[in-house]
Amino acid sequence: GAVVSQHPSWVICKSGTSVKIECRSLDFQATTMFWYRQFPKQSLMLMATSNEGSKATYEQGVEKDKFLINHASLTLSTLTVTSAHPEDSSFYICSARRDRGGTEAFFGQGTRLTVV
Amino acid sequence: AQTVTQSQPEMSVQEAETVTLSCTYDTSESNYYLFWYKQPPSRQMILVIRQEAYKQQNATENRFSVNFQKAAKSFSLKISDSQLGDTAMYFCACSSYNTDKLIFGTGTRLQVFP
Repeated sequence: GAVVSQHPSWVICKSGTSVKIECRSLDFQATTMFWYRQFPKQSLMLMATSNEGSKATYEQGVEKDKFLINHASLTLSTLTVTSAHPEDSSFYICSARRDRGGTEAFFGQGTRLTVV
Repeated sequence: AQTVTQSQPEMSVQEAETVTLSCTYDTSESNYYLFWYKQPPSRQMILVIRQEAYKQQNATENRFSVNFQKAAKSFSLKISDSQLGDTAMYFCACSSYNTDKLIFGTGTRLQVFP
């Protein structure tokens, strides 16, 4: 299967600072990348969908200015949590697809963000 | 909009036995796909099995098979000959060609006992 690498695996930051999470498809070009947030023992909540070279599409209730997504190339998407607060602490997961719709989505290993 | 519902928060099964995890979904799309993903303690999401909605035949992958009931919008996962390594969270998911979004259910925590 294809490999999606997410970095960092964990990060601790102070309230008010920003933190960037990278998601790379290592051996394929991803037409679409997705960002999810997962609370402990809960499901993956889709935050946004990003396509290379265009603006991300955010799900309802997700603050665009808080969670900045950039899909600079077909192999890299970044999520920046701006002015982080403790309530932003969570597990963030990215996934990538080669093609639309029904193809398998490959997942990164996730990033645990702790805001103190 | 797509919604996915998993009504079993937790399930347990003895090693070598068979267990079935339930999933129902709702979508207005005609061209959609259904998935079961596994999330072990490492939290790495792993695809277990995939079903195209336009195919009537149930998908199978070794010990894993699905019972796809399109009219009932039901998509259950059967794990045969359960192994200790099957212990994980299992998520049912749905995506459509048009929206391209992969939407997950709430998950079922499966514990396999020796």
